[in-house]
Formats: sequence, C-alpha cells, structure tokens
Amino acid sequence: QKEVEQNSGPLSVPEGAIASLNCTYSDRGSQSFFWYRQYSGKSPELIMSIYSNGDKEDGRFTAQLNKASQYVSLLIRDSQPSDSATYLCALGYNQGGKLIFGQGTELSVKP
Amino acid sequence: GAVVSQHPSWVICKSGTSVKIECRSLDFQATTMFWYRQFPKQSLMLMATSNEGSKATYEQGVEKDKFLINHASLTLSTLTVTSAHPEDSSFYICSACRDRGTVLETQYFGPGTRLLVL
Repeated sequence: QKEVEQNSGPLSVPEGAIASLNCTYSDRGSQSFFWYRQYSGKSPELIMSIYSNGDKEDGRFTAQLNKASQYVSLLIRDSQPSDSATYLCALGYNQGGKLIFGQGTELSVKP
Repeated sequence: GAVVSQHPSWVICKSGTSVKIECRSLDFQATTMFWYRQFPKQSLMLMATSNEGSKATYEQGVEKDKFLINHASLTLSTLTVTSAHPEDSSFYICSACRDRGTVLETQYFGPGTRLLVL
C-alpha cells in the first residue's frame, strides 16, 4: 500500500462550484499534512498545512483532517479557472522533516 | 522572503556526460535541503536529504554514486547527475528549510530544473 493515496482524476468542476480533493494515508504516526498546488511545468507551492483533527480555513480553501480515518481533504470554494492545476497531498515526518507526496489530483475548473 | 533558486532551469546534454544543478536559498540560511525528481504525470519522489556540512541521506533505491549531493554552505546545495542517461531525463526540484529539517518548518521549493539527456 502506498503511503499517500489520491485519486489522480481529472476532477472537473464548473466555475463557482466547490471542488473536493481527497487523500488517504497509511502511517498512523503521521503528524503533519500539507496540500500543494502544482501548475504544469512548475514546482509545487504550499496552499495549506494542517496538524490537528478538524477543519482549517484560509480564504477559499478549507483543509480537513481526520486522523482516526487516516483521511485529509481540501475543499476549494468558488472555484476559478485559475485553480486548474494538480493538487498534491503530502505527509510530513518529524524525523528529518521530509515530505512524502501522493500522486496528485488533476483539477480542471471549466468557465 | 524565503526564495529558493535553481540553476540551470533547463539543460540538454549528451548521454554519458555529467550535469550539475545548483539550489540556492537567496534570503535565508538553509540547514536542510531536499532533492526531488518528478517524471511526467507522476508525483514528486524524494531522492535525498541534504544537511549542511554532512553527508546526504539518500532514499531507498537512489544511487548515491550516480546522484552526488554537496551541501557545502548554508545557502547552496548541488546535485550532480554523473554519466547521465536518457532514463535520467526528468524534472529535478529542490526545497529548503530554515531549521534542522523539523516537519513543522515549511519547505520552500525552487522552480525546478528540467533535464533532457539525448
């Protein structure tokens, strides 16, 4: 089983809708979770980090973490065409600080 | 703040040559840098963790003699792909942390280097 799993998509939503991106992980000891956005040909950029169970909101983005279910999600409200990108879920390891990435979900927001 | 640069941004080389990629933290001191590789339509795969002044820690399956990493200063880490072959063609991305690689410290990513080996 992969450490971090995401649906590769593509996920297509209309402009203005809510996009829901999901991620499951296998290591119950994981403490830190991150969502990155990656445009084609570019390097990833951090959108959100979340460490505690529950929701964390930042503008149009909400990250949700459920450690019991080993599940982390990202909601994007009022999706815009500029949100079209690949979204990468990542686990952080306290020892060494390294990140393990999922395979990414491609999001397409249609005007 | 927290800008990371990479040089070159793209490189084309002949099979068998060596290629050096530089990763610099421009406005902070990076005690830890990470090197990733990304093939088309795939995710980032961590290759190695580079700590200033010590040997790099390589992930399982990454050949340390082929991918030489040097982190000689707090602002510069280099990755050298030795005797490059077409299968080494990929997008190489570095990231840098201010602190000693604690997970709570944000990783700042460089813009990446696209390598094409003919």
